[in-house]
Amino acid sequence: DAGVTQSPTHLIKTRGQQVTLRCSPKSGHDTVSWYQQALGQGPQFIFQYYEEEERQRGNFPDRFSGHQFPNYSSELNVNALLLGDSALYLCASSLVSGGEQVAFFGQGTRLTVV
Amino acid sequence: QQQVKQSPQSLIVQKGGISIINCAYENTAFDYFPWYQQFPGKGPALLIAIRPDVSEKKEGRFTISFNKSAKQFSLHIMDSQPGDSATYFCAASKGSSNTGKLIFGQGTTLQVKP
Repeated sequence: DAGVTQSPTHLIKTRGQQVTLRCSPKSGHDTVSWYQQALGQGPQFIFQYYEEEERQRGNFPDRFSGHQFPNYSSELNVNALLLGDSALYLCASSLVSGGEQVAFFGQGTRLTVV
Repeated sequence: QQQVKQSPQSLIVQKGGISIINCAYENTAFDYFPWYQQFPGKGPALLIAIRPDVSEKKEGRFTISFNKSAKQFSLHIMDSQPGDSATYFCAASKGSSNTGKLIFGQGTTLQVKP
């Protein structure tokens, strides 16, 4: 059973550009969350998708947007990139199990903005 | 606003010793408290989690102690091994109604010396 897979693993972009990151959830998982992890910090929640809808959003600007497809895979889009957007972007998929959502993380996409 | 505070930032323990990492939370609506382990270049992996209706949960060498009145919880790693060297994150989320949004602490880098 493949876990959560993210692509690409590394990416270098220039300030002002746009980027799309992709995530395939763990088999059977219907909920996808995205997190931003700056160097030396804990992950910060960006947003979560369920049934192709954004269900909850963290404190991130509208430059950050996403999408979930019918097969539950998801994309994270960031427009007008800033140097401060450089971080590890993590995708987590989850499934309600025993009354709680257990989140499984992918290996992340390392985004560097120059 | 940092809703989950984690300490210490870094920790060095001798092989066979006990590693202790502490977290404190502010939001009394939190009712799910997981600990994640992250190795360099990897995404966080769930270690162990607890709900506030129990004061302690043990899985192998890992134990969570939970103090609801103090709004604190801690991770104890018994018989620490060099392979435990990683960054550890505590997290919190709201429970059964939850959307799975995790609020992470800042992380603790653990080094276990042989």
